[in-house]
Amino acid sequence: QVQLVQSGTEVKKPGASVKVSCKASGYSFTDYYIHWVRQAPGQGLEWMGWISPKNGDTNYAQKFQGRLTMTRDTSISTAYMDLSRLTSDDTAVYYCAREADIFTGYFKYWGQGTLVTVSS
Amino acid sequence: DIQMTQSPSSLSASVGDRVTITCRPSQGINNYLAWYQQKPGKVPKLLIYAASTLHSGVPSRFSGSGSGTDFTLTISSLQPEDVATYYCQKYNGVPHTFGQGTKVEIK
Repeated sequence: QVQLVQSGTEVKKPGASVKVSCKASGYSFTDYYIHWVRQAPGQGLEWMGWISPKNGDTNYAQKFQGRLTMTRDTSISTAYMDLSRLTSDDTAVYYCAREADIFTGYFKYWGQGTLVTVSS
Repeated sequence: DIQMTQSPSSLSASVGDRVTITCRPSQGINNYLAWYQQKPGKVPKLLIYAASTLHSGVPSRFSGSGSGTDFTLTISSLQPEDVATYYCQKYNGVPHTFGQGTKVEIK
């Protein structure tokens, strides 16, 4: 069965960076885009961007341009989300999600979420 | 970017009631719309895609309709387990924006 397992809770200081991992299993990792979505406490879902595990192509939401980097390691079927220059506004649960079908853009499978807290 | 506006932001209804949530993109998106359910403290779950296609395993009391700039999610008979926040999402190109959510409670 398809599973996305994310790394654990992070606490960071303002100005620092955070790297969250998302390990995929149960399917061919390179066949489906991985997206990242975040949710601030008590707030809605915010789409951040996607990465193609096949070739590493990425597409980021405009608001994160310049401080968001998505990468992947196909040898261990893992995608990464790296967000730099953190502020308190980046405190959120970060989810990775896999598209339901190839090149669809809606999400059937989600990781369990990683809480990132930014606090001095 | 296309903005996604959901209404209402919250609602309270009785068990058995018919509930309707609206999602209006600021520009037409054909039928590239999905609906998700998120229960408190849980991961979002896909309910509907392509505006009206029910995802496997989702109860038939959920339905979706619409195209272009006007979409609805309907729960035909609200059940206690449907207490959740519901989000629409466009996926006809980036950004894959979500609506702000509609919180559904039992009266």
